[in-house]
Amino acid sequence: EVQLVESGGGLVQPGGSLRLSCAASGFTFSTHNMNWVRQAPGKGLEWVSYINTVSTNIFYADSVKGRFTISRDNAKNSLLLQMNSLRDEDTAVYYCARSSTARWEILDYWGQGTLVTASS
Amino acid sequence: DIQMTQSPSSMSASVGDRVTITCRASQSISRWLAWYQQKPGKAPNLLISTASTLQSGVPSRFSGSGSGTDFTLTISSLQPEDFATYYCQQADSFPLTFGGGTKVEIK
Repeated sequence: EVQLVESGGGLVQPGGSLRLSCAASGFTFSTHNMNWVRQAPGKGLEWVSYINTVSTNIFYADSVKGRFTISRDNAKNSLLLQMNSLRDEDTAVYYCARSSTARWEILDYWGQGTLVTASS
Repeated sequence: DIQMTQSPSSMSASVGDRVTITCRASQSISRWLAWYQQKPGKAPNLLISTASTLQSGVPSRFSGSGSGTDFTLTISSLQPEDFATYYCQQADSFPLTFGGGTKVEIK
């Protein structure tokens, strides 16, 4: 069974940093591209970042470019998101989502999410 | 970036009703469209990929259609477990973009 479990969320002051992790199991992590997607309280879904299997292709939403860094450790089956210079508007549940092998832009499995609150 | 517009943003329906949700892309995305279902407090769940391909385990009352810029998600006979929020997402290119969501509520 595919499982994606996010961790690392919490309360942080604006301007602060946080590092999110996503532990993957139940599939061969190294053969799947991965994503982060977020959802502000009571709002819709916003794609945040994408990384391919070997970390050579990485994309970011304009809203986080220059502040967030996505990375992965295939040996540890983990996806990471380093978030710096956090703003109030970064407050959201952050989901780790797997890209389908048939089409990288389709997200076929999602974790349960971890809540990040940027507030003073 | 490709903008996705969903309508309606919310609707009330009864068990057994036929429900139709529409999604429009700001430019042609061929058939590169996915639909997700999200229940309160839960992660989104992929229902349909490539406009009309039902994911394994998804009931056949769900169907998708469309190509180019206009797409539709149809639930042929609404069941109690279908009350949720539905999102479309263009799968044509990065940055990935989602529609604003359609909340289907009990009438």
